[in-house]
Amino acid sequence: DQQVKQNSPSLSVQEGRISILNCDYTNSMFDYFLWYKKYPAEGPTFLISISSIKDKNEDGRFTVFLNKSAKHLSLHIVPSQPGDSAVYFCAASEGGATNKLIFGTGTLLAVQP
Amino acid sequence: NAGVTQTPKFRVLKTGQSMTLLCAQDMNHEYMYWYRQDPGMGLRLIHYSVGEGTTAKGEVPDGYNVSRLKKQNFLLGLESAAPSQTSVYFCASSPPGDRVRKTQYFGPGTRLLVL
Repeated sequence: DQQVKQNSPSLSVQEGRISILNCDYTNSMFDYFLWYKKYPAEGPTFLISISSIKDKNEDGRFTVFLNKSAKHLSLHIVPSQPGDSAVYFCAASEGGATNKLIFGTGTLLAVQP
Repeated sequence: NAGVTQTPKFRVLKTGQSMTLLCAQDMNHEYMYWYRQDPGMGLRLIHYSVGEGTTAKGEVPDGYNVSRLKKQNFLLGLESAAPSQTSVYFCASSPPGDRVRKTQYFGPGTRLLVL
């Protein structure tokens, strides 16, 4: 049973518009949520994170929103740029001292010029 | 500062052959992890280590062994490769004191094809 789900395998957005990537989770004990970005033939790179005690975290063009009652988080990219085209993974931390993460299946974002 | 490096970048094996994937990090990170990425499956944790000399099983450990003899290195071994182990393997490390942000830093990956 997948504890972290990204139900949209792909998303296409026009340059300059907003990109919204969604993630759902089932475990209410997750204490931290992260977004990673992955280009082809490269490893994932950390993008932004949010603690379970927050509902919003912003870093430049990237904002993550957390809705604990719905067990849902989203990543907003405004404005979207062609260089944002990549696979985005949502990840959740189980807590504890190991820093283990559980990843979603990823969403491929294509930003059209 | 090279970050996390992985060797080799690509390898083809025949069923039953063995090999070792090497991960090295130069950031003095305590924690290290091995993942595999398969289409439609995201990243799944194989094994991890919270310090030199310690290892633990992740979500999909069967068919793999690991060792962490030095803090900077984490080795992933396949004793008898199977076609089901065809995948892209990523190593990651996590810095000391980052128990709050949980951030992991990834290597570039090793693409393994088992025939």
